[in-house]
Amino acid sequence: GQQLNQSPQSMFIQEGEDVSMNCTSSSIFNTWLWYKQDPGEGPVLLIALYKAGELTSNGRLTAQFGITRKDSFLNISASIPSDVGIYFCAGHRDFGNEKLTFGTGTRLTIIP
Amino acid sequence: EPEVTQTPSHQVTQMGQEVILRCVPISNHLYFYWYRQILGQKVEFLVSFYNNEISEKSEIFDDQFSVERPDGSNFTLKIRSTKLEDSAMYFCASSVGISNYGYTFGSGTRLTVV
Repeated sequence: GQQLNQSPQSMFIQEGEDVSMNCTSSSIFNTWLWYKQDPGEGPVLLIALYKAGELTSNGRLTAQFGITRKDSFLNISASIPSDVGIYFCAGHRDFGNEKLTFGTGTRLTIIP
Repeated sequence: EPEVTQTPSHQVTQMGQEVILRCVPISNHLYFYWYRQILGQKVEFLVSFYNNEISEKSEIFDDQFSVERPDGSNFTLKIRSTKLEDSAMYFCASSVGISNYGYTFGSGTRLTVV
């Protein structure tokens, strides 16, 4: 089936550090999305990527859609306490396909 | 900012009982979805709904599940006879279009089957 594998599974960093996480698949995805989930809440869209090679920023967040269309990364610069949460990549396998496949998640913890 | 609203936030039910989870999508959105997340796991697609009918469903969405948009604003997920393994967070989402749009998710309903 369609699997999106995220790494690392969890990260423990100090406030102010930069963060990098990625998402890979054995299949091509035509849209890549990055979501953040806080405890007890639904996923919130951070960045959407629609074109292979695309690099997009949203404040301190930067994400890229891999050239092979089988991977994406998310960077967070100068982390702050509210960055804590679980980050999920997600993708649409086909154009016109409504199903969103989610990755396995990266849990970010900030050490005081 | 427009929101997807889900009720209740938490529901506890006995095994074998029927439950209905309710959602009010964003008003100008046309596509509606249900996803679930078993505790500590990833978010999984259940079903998508467009133009008053199911457009896609996963293998999880078996005959025990059904969806309905009864009145043009609410979007419901019914589980006919709940099983212990149905315990999960259920998220409703909506979008203006497909593929080129990110979904907006609700805050979820935590379903606990005992």
